[in-house]
Amino acid sequence: QKEVEQNSGPLSVPEGAIASLNCTYSDRGSQSFFWYRQYSGKSPELIMFIYSNGDKEDGRFTAQLNKASQYVSLLIRDSQPSDSATYLCAVNQGSGGGADGLTFGKGTHLIIQP
Amino acid sequence: EAGVTQSPTHLIKTRGQQATLRCSPISGHTSVYWYQQALGLGLQFLLWYDEGEERNRGNFPPRFSGRQFPNYSSELNVNALELEDSALYLCASRIGSSGNTIYFGEGSWLTVV
Repeated sequence: QKEVEQNSGPLSVPEGAIASLNCTYSDRGSQSFFWYRQYSGKSPELIMFIYSNGDKEDGRFTAQLNKASQYVSLLIRDSQPSDSATYLCAVNQGSGGGADGLTFGKGTHLIIQP
Repeated sequence: EAGVTQSPTHLIKTRGQQATLRCSPISGHTSVYWYQQALGLGLQFLLWYDEGEERNRGNFPPRFSGRQFPNYSSELNVNALELEDSALYLCASRIGSSGNTIYFGEGSWLTVV
């Protein structure tokens, strides 16, 4: 049974600060890792994906992966009120999708306080 | 370029009825996934279609079924609706069976009363 765990939050961060979102996964065979953002009542939107250990940066977002610890995180620098949303961590054994799509965590609700 | 489109946006059905939800993938995408997101719960994988065939299904009863058409669009059918089927149903598409990542449509809200 593949599991992806996230702290449900809410995680409250002041505007301009760094928001740190964490995710652990149970399947050591997992190879690809995704972060989606979901606004209330809307569908998930892909933010980033990461395959290799280390950091991957895209604008204000940095994804971090540590396969040995089975841990993936998302950092949001200079947090804005528009970043307030639920962030979903997703994991798969392959490059994306695959036999059972992605295994999603339940998400962390992030609130950026103005 | 149009994204994944789903219809209807909202659907209200009575317990015991059948619901049909439709999805058109991004142009060029051949794989379609269906997920259920019930209130307060995470995304649960329902079905995966690729090149017109069902490739895998999640841990859902047989009354959840679907198909993929030659133009790669897909429909999800839910028979004998139960109250707990009320959820957001999300369709996602991907290029081929090994393409990079999946992209979601806006979803269809199904309410069973």
